[in-house]
Amino acid sequence: KQEVTQIPAALSVPEGENLVLNCSFTDSAIYNLQWFRQDPGKGLTSLLLIQSSQREQTSGRLNASLDKSSGRSTLYIAASQPGDSATYLCAVPINQAGTALIFGKGTTLSVSS
Amino acid sequence: DAGVIQSPRHEVTEMGQEVTLRCKPISGHDYLFWYRQTMMRGLELLIYFNNNVPIDDSGMPEDRFSAKMPNASFSTLKIQPSEPRDSAVYFCASSFRAPIYTEQFFGPGTRLTVL
Repeated sequence: KQEVTQIPAALSVPEGENLVLNCSFTDSAIYNLQWFRQDPGKGLTSLLLIQSSQREQTSGRLNASLDKSSGRSTLYIAASQPGDSATYLCAVPINQAGTALIFGKGTTLSVSS
Repeated sequence: DAGVIQSPRHEVTEMGQEVTLRCKPISGHDYLFWYRQTMMRGLELLIYFNNNVPIDDSGMPEDRFSAKMPNASFSTLKIQPSEPRDSAVYFCASSFRAPIYTEQFFGPGTRLTVL
């Protein structure tokens, strides 16, 4: 059974710092991995989708990497800003049929000015 | 496109009452998912539909929960009777194809409080 873990559960950094969020999964036979952002009281916003054939995806200050063999993904945020404060979740398809997602519990990021 | 639309955004009800949550997926998307989010358990899949047909409802916690998708643009999640432990944020999501191929897009959620 696939399990997704995100460590740490919370992270506080000063503005301008580069940071890395971690996501690990137990079954490496995944088709893709998706990173989401959730603001308090809001829904999830898709940030990046990495297909299994890719090693990285970039969007602006965000860079996500995927290492299937080690069951890990990282989300790198460059030059963090207070507006980056949110909870970041990673998710993978729930099984080989890939018909739904299983989520980590997220890392809550706080960027202070 | 307006994205996935959910209503109501907030619902407060008393134990034993019937609750109906509504979702309009993104036009053209043929997969629809209902998730529940709690502090303790995080985000959990309840049920999903493909082309309006329920495919997997193994995440539905009890018979008190039911979901329907009468057409491609509308789905409901019903809880009858509701209990305090059902208090959570319920999300609807949709995707153009199965999540192994494409992104999944979420609605803003319905925050349910059962007193």
